[in-house]
Amino acid sequence: AQSVAQPEDQVNVAEGNPLTVKCTYSVSGNPYLFWYVQYPNRGLQFLLKYITGDNLVKGSYGFEAEFNKSQTSFHLKKPSALVSDSALYFCAVRDGNTGGFKTIFGAGTRLFVKA
Amino acid sequence: ETGVTQTPRHLVMGMTNKKSLKCEQHLGHNAMYWYKQSAKKPLELMFVYSLEERVENNSVPSRFSPECPNSSHLFLHLHTLQPEDSALYLCASSPQGSATQETQYFGPGTRLLVL
Repeated sequence: AQSVAQPEDQVNVAEGNPLTVKCTYSVSGNPYLFWYVQYPNRGLQFLLKYITGDNLVKGSYGFEAEFNKSQTSFHLKKPSALVSDSALYFCAVRDGNTGGFKTIFGAGTRLFVKA
Repeated sequence: ETGVTQTPRHLVMGMTNKKSLKCEQHLGHNAMYWYKQSAKKPLELMFVYSLEERVENNSVPSRFSPECPNSSHLFLHLHTLQPEDSALYLCASSPQGSATQETQYFGPGTRLLVL
């Protein structure tokens, strides 16, 4: 069965400092991994995804994520946080072997960036 | 905006009411999804339609009834809901639906309160 864990409900970081939002996953087949962001009163917006190839994936707004197969992790990172990055971040996984339509989302991590 | 619109944005209903949520996508996609978002819980996939055919139904109570008259429109009909059904209901679309690496595009959601 597929699952996603985001171990931190909340991450606090000062503006200008690097940030990391953690995600671990479990799938039986090849993982297709996604990060989405949700701003207040908005739907989820796509940030980046890992399908195959380079383990370091670069996405929107300066975010990147590193796929680590041995640790089954896909942590989201940004070298220098902005106050405007404050939002709710969701990690998601699909099983690339079984196909289908089901995306499993984590519970979300709220990021607070302090000026 | 992502090209996916939802109406109404807010809805308050009694347990004996009947109401409908509407979703429209302007992206030319073939797959549409309903998700339920409750506080501090992962997004729950409710229904998936691909080319107007329901392809996923995640053990959702019968008081929720989806309808997809064409590939651009998706409805969620609600009747005799319970207070625990109060949540943010998100609609999403993706180009084909069957390709597991596809990004989903989300609407802003309908905030539902059941009294």
